[in-house]
Amino acid sequence: GAGVSQTPSNKVTEKGKYVELRCDPISGHTALYWYRQSLGQGPEFLIYFQGTGAADDSGLPNDRFFAVRPEGSVSTLKIQRTERGDSAVYLCASSLQGFGTEAFFGQGTRLTVV
Amino acid sequence: AQSVSQHNHHVILSEAASLELGCNYSYGGTVNLFWYVQYPGQHLQLLLKYFSGDPLVKGIKGFEAEFIKSKFSFNLRKPSVQWSDTAEYFCAVNAQGSGSARQLTFGSGTQLTVLP
Repeated sequence: GAGVSQTPSNKVTEKGKYVELRCDPISGHTALYWYRQSLGQGPEFLIYFQGTGAADDSGLPNDRFFAVRPEGSVSTLKIQRTERGDSAVYLCASSLQGFGTEAFFGQGTRLTVV
Repeated sequence: AQSVSQHNHHVILSEAASLELGCNYSYGGTVNLFWYVQYPGQHLQLLLKYFSGDPLVKGIKGFEAEFIKSKFSFNLRKPSVQWSDTAEYFCAVNAQGSGSARQLTFGSGTQLTVLP
């Protein structure tokens, strides 16, 4: 069966540009998470969706970051006015119901801001 | 908010050696605990998890972990490692409760290198 799919796998963008990262979760999973992983660090929580709504967006670093999940399936992480410090691997995970159920991770999108 | 500490950043072992990777968390309430593994070039995969019940949990590939509530620990063990166990290992916790407590919080990871 299909796992969590993230596109693109790599993205290079210039400082100041806008980027969108896409996550296609496992079918039927209501919970979706975005994480950011910098070199040598563990994944850092960004935002958690339960269905269409953001149940917890406390990890978004500032208002340049925004994420949507309009139909409760695919999610898009949007970063405005990118900065070099935004360079990282952005991970998406989904789980059947959220808390208490296993999260399955995608391969990630490696974002490089030059 | 909860936090997770992994004591060893890089562990180097020879094949057949025993492994123990430390993990401590800070949260006073009820938690779910996880160990994830990331093999080179691959995505994070679940090794094992603890939700409730027997504090000694067994996972895939011969790994096990023991939840010691009094020590806020969830150490990962394997009696005899193989070269194919070379990977990065992450401990993670999420907590029962509301708001940010429900997010999955990761440690900084331990890179395990097994020498053939």
